[in-house]
Amino acid sequence: DIQMTQSPASLSASLEEIVTITCQASQDIGNWVAWYQQKPGKSLQFLIYGATSLADGVPSRFSGSRSGTQYSLKISRLQVEDFGIYYCQQASSVPYTFGVGTKLELK
Amino acid sequence: QVKVVQSGAELVKPGSSVKLSCKTSGFTFSITYMNWLKQVPGQSIEWIGNIYGGDGGTNYNQKFKDKATLTVETSSSTAYMDLSSLTSEDSALYFCARGGWFFDYWGQGVMVTVSS
Repeated sequence: DIQMTQSPASLSASLEEIVTITCQASQDIGNWVAWYQQKPGKSLQFLIYGATSLADGVPSRFSGSRSGTQYSLKISRLQVEDFGIYYCQQASSVPYTFGVGTKLELK
Repeated sequence: QVKVVQSGAELVKPGSSVKLSCKTSGFTFSITYMNWLKQVPGQSIEWIGNIYGGDGGTNYNQKFKDKATLTVETSSSTAYMDLSSLTSEDSALYFCARGGWFFDYWGQGVMVTVSS
């Protein structure tokens, strides 16, 4: 199975700050990466697909990038509603796998 | 608009089975994959498998191949997952989600608790 090594596990940041979360894939997966946000006790919200494409309705302060087998989610100008847990997911081959998650908290 | 609504929480006994449902609307179910995923509270997410709404074709994570059985009822745009021979390790939050590779709409999740 493809492993997605996500870091950091947790992150404290202030409003309006810029944060970056990364996932390292265990092999070449092209652009087959998505990012999701989960609020406590809630379902997941789809943010980014194809490594860099913004899902419908997602604010433009979210962006995704790729460098080789490393994938990043950047949130510019953090807002209150951005705090939660973020997961990366690879869709290159089954079984689809997720990173361990990054808990983004308000400093 | 797209809706994905799952059945309610389940409390089941060890060794038993449970069938979860995922009712959808707002899109063409017959040309869509529906996925099932597992999340133990406080942990990450595991993909169990998916099923094609049109013909019921399935893809399973080998880890869950003897645990989960996915089916669909196209007439009602509903996906189902049967979980068998339940143990405490099956206690988790189970989600269904739409999509072939990426999951754009998710159900609210259903908590399955296995306890005697």
